Amino acid sequence: GESVGLHLPTLSVQEGDNSIINCAYSNSASDYFIWYKQESGKGPQFIIDIRSNMDKRQGQRVTVLLNKTVKHLSLQIAATQPGDSAVYFCAESRNNDMRFGAGTRLTVKP
Amino acid sequence: KAGVTQTPRYLIKTRGQQVTLSCSPISGHRSVSWYQQTPGQGLQFLFEYFSETQRNKGNFPGRFSGRQFSNSRSEMNVSTLELGDSALYLCASSFQGQESEAFFGQGTRLTVV
Repeated sequence: GESVGLHLPTLSVQEGDNSIINCAYSNSASDYFIWYKQESGKGPQFIIDIRSNMDKRQGQRVTVLLNKTVKHLSLQIAATQPGDSAVYFCAESRNNDMRFGAGTRLTVKP
Repeated sequence: KAGVTQTPRYLIKTRGQQVTLSCSPISGHRSVSWYQQTPGQGLQFLFEYFSETQRNKGNFPGRFSGRQFSNSRSEMNVSTLELGDSALYLCASSFQGQESEAFFGQGTRLTVV
């Protein structure tokens, strides 16, 4: 069946390095994708979104890449900081039917 | 401006009871979406309300229902609670809907015993 999933459940990076969090999706009809960050004890926080008519979108220190050919979504965080430590979720949507990935826990080592 | 407010923050209920959770969206936002988050199933979409109408619904049984008032505040209700309903219930508000920047509340932690 269709699914949204993450390649790695955990990711550990050194402070100052770049982080890449990956997400695979299988519904080729999905046309909207979001990345969320969730810190312990808090609700998810919107990071960045991208529509299927784009391949790349940049925000402040973050970049989302969409590869529709292989149905792959990634989130790149530049110069990772301790405050970036959290669980990151990808989500895909088609006609407001949103499905979430399991999440990747990012740990930033000082 | 004030963020999304969910009340109560914590709730303990007994199997078979019903519960009502409340969500006050950011001022000006007309869309409120509800989600269930559990360690086993992750984050799952329950339903979305926009201008007092349910616009989308996830794959949950009819025991889960909701409504939205004219001031955009929303409530969700779960009847005949089951142990498996124990979860963090999150609401998110946005101006246009799920497919736009949404702001989440801190959630209501429901424990069913």
